[in-house]
Amino acid sequence: DQQVKQNSPSLSVQEGRISILNCDYTNSMFDYFLWYKKYPAEGPTFLISISSIKDKNEDGRFTVFLNKSAKHLSLHIVPSQPGDSAVYFCAASGMYSGGGADGLTFGKGTHLIIQP
Amino acid sequence: NAGVMQNPRHLVRRRGQEARLRCSPMKGHSHVYWYRQLPEEGLKFMVYLQKENIIDESGMPKERFSAEFPKEGPSILRIQQVVRGDSAAYFCASSPGTRETQYFGPGTRLLVL
Repeated sequence: DQQVKQNSPSLSVQEGRISILNCDYTNSMFDYFLWYKKYPAEGPTFLISISSIKDKNEDGRFTVFLNKSAKHLSLHIVPSQPGDSAVYFCAASGMYSGGGADGLTFGKGTHLIIQP
Repeated sequence: NAGVMQNPRHLVRRRGQEARLRCSPMKGHSHVYWYRQLPEEGLKFMVYLQKENIIDESGMPKERFSAEFPKEGPSILRIQQVVRGDSAAYFCASSPGTRETQYFGPGTRLLVL
């Protein structure tokens, strides 16, 4: 049973436009959410996080939105740049959420392709 | 400040051999996590360790897999009697404390022939 779902395996966006990556979760015990970016043959790189007491967190071109009632979060990248082409993973953790309170539960990722 | 280091980056083993994967956390980080990624899948939590202690191993297979994080030296993930299904990318992450952001190493790609 997947507790963190990224339903779009891939997304293609034009350079300069906004990229919106979506993530849904089922476990109401999750209280901390992160986005990681991953290039082939490398480890995930931390991008941005949000705790459940907030509904928005912004860092430069990256903004994460959290809708707790819908159990949905999204990552907005604006403007999108060629170097943003990568696989983006949504991850979550929470007390008693399984996978260890500190262990992250990951989605399967969305491959973002920025087209020139 | 060096990031999380993992070695080897690539490891080839024949069925029945042992695989030892090493992870050195970022300086100042005392919490280490191991994850496994199968092809076309997300990362799956395996084990969470602090120095000399296993805190949570709920994601670790019950047999053949073990992990340690000794007082001195890197954390080790050990897989005994490897099988083809163990072929995967194994990532280590570290954090300065509990419930803090985890930073990942480059991974070890294990191939079992």
